[in-house]
Amino acid sequence: ETGVTQSPTHLIKTRGQQVTLRCSSQSGHNTVSWYQQALGQGPQFIFQYYREEENGRGNFPPRFSGLQFPNYSSELNVNALELDDSALYLCASSNTGRSSYEQYFGPGTRLTVT
Amino acid sequence: GDSVTQMEGPVTLSEEAFLTINCTYTATGYPSLFWYVQYPGEGLQLLLKATKADDKGSNKGFEATYRKETTSFHLEKGSVQVSDSAVYFCALSDGPNAGGTSYGKLTFGQGTILTVHP
Repeated sequence: ETGVTQSPTHLIKTRGQQVTLRCSSQSGHNTVSWYQQALGQGPQFIFQYYREEENGRGNFPPRFSGLQFPNYSSELNVNALELDDSALYLCASSNTGRSSYEQYFGPGTRLTVT
Repeated sequence: GDSVTQMEGPVTLSEEAFLTINCTYTATGYPSLFWYVQYPGEGLQLLLKATKADDKGSNKGFEATYRKETTSFHLEKGSVQVSDSAVYFCALSDGPNAGGTSYGKLTFGQGTILTVHP
């Protein structure tokens, strides 16, 4: 069974630029959720994708957007980067339909905005 | 809205000591509760879970019991090892009864840093 993978591992961008992060879900999972983890904090929910549509969103501005593809992989796009966007971005996959909503996380992408 | 509160850290213990990390939550409906562990430079790993009141989750010597009356899910281990040093996160997931719009969003506590010395 293949686990959740994310790319790239690390990324450095300049304020105002745009970035795309990628995630491949665990085999057999149909739902992908994205979280932002600032240094020393717990992860914060950004949004979730199920059947290629956004299925819930946290308190993040519209410049955070995403996509899910037919193979259930996903992208997170952030436009007009700000210094506060520097964080570890975590992708989690799950199988919607299971009542426990157990989510499995990838290793994350460390984004640094300068 | 939903929230999770963990005990302030960091926690420093000697090997073979008893561990308790407190976690309390506020939620509507009937959430599922989780403990995740994060080792340095890595993502989150699911440690254990409980999906209803009085359930006990356990894994690798760690245990936590879902206490609805006290809205708590404290993590315990009888004898910690150096390899248990990590950051531990308590989390809840809105369940299928959350207004019919639940989708399993995880709400995390702030994390507790555990350091175990030989």
